[in-house]
Amino acid sequence: AQSVTQPDIHITVSEGASLELRCNYSYGATPYLFWYVQSPGQGLQLLLKYFSGDTLVQGIKGFEAEFKRSQSSFNLRKPSVHWSDAAEYFCAVGSGGYNKLIFGAGTRLAVHP
Amino acid sequence: GAVVSQHPSWVICKSGTSVKIECRSLDFQATTMFWYRQFPKQSLMLMATSNEGSKATYEQGVEKDKFLINHASLTLSTLTVTSAHPEDSSFYICSAVERGRETQYFGPGTRLLVL
Repeated sequence: AQSVTQPDIHITVSEGASLELRCNYSYGATPYLFWYVQSPGQGLQLLLKYFSGDTLVQGIKGFEAEFKRSQSSFNLRKPSVHWSDAAEYFCAVGSGGYNKLIFGAGTRLAVHP
Repeated sequence: GAVVSQHPSWVICKSGTSVKIECRSLDFQATTMFWYRQFPKQSLMLMATSNEGSKATYEQGVEKDKFLINHASLTLSTLTVTSAHPEDSSFYICSAVERGRETQYFGPGTRLLVL
């Protein structure tokens, strides 16, 4: 069955520290992978996506993610976290834009000053 | 680009009434729109897939007669919660896919409270 696992429900980091949010997926075909961010009471904003090609993808707000097929992972990273990065982060997998996305449970990020 | 709006942003209604939520793609044509439901501190649950000019496809367990979806044009889809009850209170989010593209863009969501 298709699924997305985000092992960390809640992460707290200090401002300026590096960040890595984990995402593992189970998908039969070649996956389309996404990271979205949701601020409180808001919809989802696309951070980055991977369809094919270079396995290290750059996104907005200084985020990047690396697709590792052998590990079925698509972890999100940021070298230096800002207080404004505090939000909920969702990893999602799909087979294309016209097909439904499967979301992970989300990781809530808190940033300490 | 790729902006999706929802209206209203929040609504309070009495039990038994119907509520309509609009989802619009502002700067692109969306052949496909999705409707999600999100409970507090939980992930998004897909309710239905809406294709312009055709009937929506509902996910298992979603009552199609309760959650009416109409995708009347390439820029507008509506979700009507009929005979709303307190358990329908939730955060409803839509997304839209631009023709020929592969990415879903999300609206800001509509918070529904049924009293």
